[in-house]
Amino acid sequence: QVTLRESGPALVKPTQTLTLTCTFSGFSLSTSGMCVSWIRQPPGKALEWLALIDWDDDKYYSTSLKTRLTISKDTSRNQVVLTMTNMDPVDTATYFCARTTMKTRNFDYWGQGTLVTVSS
Amino acid sequence: DIQMTQSPSTLSASVGDRVTITCRASQTISSWLAWYQQKPGKAPKLLVYKASSLESEGPSRFSGSGSGTEFALTISSLQPDDFATYYCQQYDSDSWTFGQGTKVEIK
Repeated sequence: QVTLRESGPALVKPTQTLTLTCTFSGFSLSTSGMCVSWIRQPPGKALEWLALIDWDDDKYYSTSLKTRLTISKDTSRNQVVLTMTNMDPVDTATYFCARTTMKTRNFDYWGQGTLVTVSS
Repeated sequence: DIQMTQSPSTLSASVGDRVTITCRASQTISSWLAWYQQKPGKAPKLLVYKASSLESEGPSRFSGSGSGTEFALTISSLQPDDFATYYCQQYDSDSWTFGQGTKVEIK
């Protein structure tokens, strides 16, 4: 059974750096073709893909946010970490992690999401 | 980056109706096109992948079609559980993009 769970702070201040952790089970990021992505959704708005890391440690970022994002993995702990620098109130959103496979290029399993509010 | 435009933004329909949501890409894309259903407070759920393949646990009333720049999700007979927001998503050149969503409401 594949599961993913996001964890991190619920509240961050403007200009701070956000660090989120995705802990997963039911698959391994050392398996060829496996990937984990981060996706966010501001309240009442659409989904936005942020970043992806694959089994080979290749990393891909949203063009509009790439200067602020860093994605990394700890295969032994089944975790993927996303950092986003210089947080702003417009970054207030629910942040999801999701499994991706290079076979289908979609997001087949999702975490429940974690709401991050940016406010002073 | 490729932009995905869904229409309509909101759709009012009744139980039993046949419903079609469209998704247009800003340039030709391959068949890496997926559809998701999202209910309030929940994570999206994958319905269709590779434009027309139904996810293994997806109800058969959902179907996907299209190619090039025009894609569609059809619900053959709308059920009470189908009132939700639907998103298309594409992959191209190491980038993933979602549409802005279509909310299916009860008429």
